[in-house]
Amino acid sequence: GAVVSQHPSRVICKSGTSVKIECRSLDFQATTMFWYRQFPKQSLMLMATSNEGSKATYEQGVEKDKFLINHASLTLSTLTVTSAHPEDSSFYICSASTVNLNEKLFFGSGTQLSVL
Amino acid sequence: SQQGEEDPQALSIQEGENATMNCSYKTSINNLQWYRQNSGRGLVHLILIRSNEREKHSGRLRVTLDTSKKSSSLLITASRAADTASYFCATRMTGYALNFGKGTSLLVTP
Repeated sequence: GAVVSQHPSRVICKSGTSVKIECRSLDFQATTMFWYRQFPKQSLMLMATSNEGSKATYEQGVEKDKFLINHASLTLSTLTVTSAHPEDSSFYICSASTVNLNEKLFFGSGTQLSVL
Repeated sequence: SQQGEEDPQALSIQEGENATMNCSYKTSINNLQWYRQNSGRGLVHLILIRSNEREKHSGRLRVTLDTSKKSSSLLITASRAADTASYFCATRMTGYALNFGKGTSLLVTP
């Protein structure tokens, strides 16, 4: 099946620093990538949807200047958490999709961000 | 926005027993999918059922969909300790994004 690679798997940073998370589709072209956030023992909450070459669409309540998303190619999307604070500590998961509406999503393995 | 709601929130059974999880949603969907997540890991796609389907099987998994009641169920038969994980239903609508339910935490004890 299709593989989505997400890096890093775990990152610890100091408050105020920026962290970049990469999501790559390895064997297919991902026209759309989704970024989710998950707090412990909770569900996945959609943060934003990005289409290749377009600006990301953010969900209500998600700060676009805080969570910068770049989807420059059909195989790579990045999420940058700018000026991270402890409340940004969470599990971030990307997923990729092709244009088929009924296509299942392929998920990365997630990034555990801990901001000290 | 989140629209799937699973129940129960937590389920504890013994190996060999069947586990049933239910999911309800609020709006029209194109398909409904079930995912599994081991603690601190990414999601693994289990099964997808389209809005015009009523039942689907995959190995020890059986999924039903009732669009009139806006509900779905996931049955895992002959459970194993390795089935211990969180299970999420997710619905897909015309906006393409998956909306996840709160999940059911399944514990299978030997």
